[in-house]
Amino acid sequence: SQTIHQWPATLVQPVGSPLSLECTVEGTSNPNLYWYRQAAGRGLQLLFYSVGIGQISSEVPQNLSASRPQDRQFILSSKKLLLSDSGFYLCAWRSWERVGNTIYFGEGSWLTVV
Amino acid sequence: AQSVAQPEDQVNVAEGNPLTVKCTYSVSGNPYLFWYVQYPNRGLQFLLKYITGDNLVKGSYGFEAEFNKSQTSFHLKKPSALVSDSALYFCAVRVKYSSASKIIFGSGTRLSIRP
Repeated sequence: SQTIHQWPATLVQPVGSPLSLECTVEGTSNPNLYWYRQAAGRGLQLLFYSVGIGQISSEVPQNLSASRPQDRQFILSSKKLLLSDSGFYLCAWRSWERVGNTIYFGEGSWLTVV
Repeated sequence: AQSVAQPEDQVNVAEGNPLTVKCTYSVSGNPYLFWYVQYPNRGLQFLLKYITGDNLVKGSYGFEAEFNKSQTSFHLKKPSALVSDSALYFCAVRVKYSSASKIIFGSGTRLSIRP
């Protein structure tokens, strides 16, 4: 069976510090991978998605970047955090193999920038 | 523009009563529609999806959703609400984008079930 792991679960970082959130998927190959941000417990904003190693698409201009160094690894980064980067970050994956297949989420990472 | 909308920020229902959480969509082509639930400080959990076939889709925890093509809706329903159903619910739709597809979400509806 497939599983998705996301860490760290919570993070408190000062303004201007770097960020690295990591996500890995097990039990599948060549998944589509996504990073979402949820602010204030409501809507989800798609930040990045990736269809393969080294292939990253950015949805909105921002202070964040994403990388996919391995097939099942997706990393969200920032060189210098802003207060507005605080939020709940969710990694997700989807199999490319089936039409209309489901997207599955990790447990999320709470980021508080102080 | 392709989108999905949840017109209600909050839905309040008494335990034992039927519940409906509304969702409407706007996509080109045949829609692939999903419902997810989120409990506090947790990731989203998949409830059900519509791809094709029967317009009434049954999912986890006794939930079901009805696809209505003419009204471009995919409302989530449950015949008898439980207090434990209280959570944040998201409707989502798959949209085509270049050589890939992505899932976009509605703004969420907070469901509150009172004892």
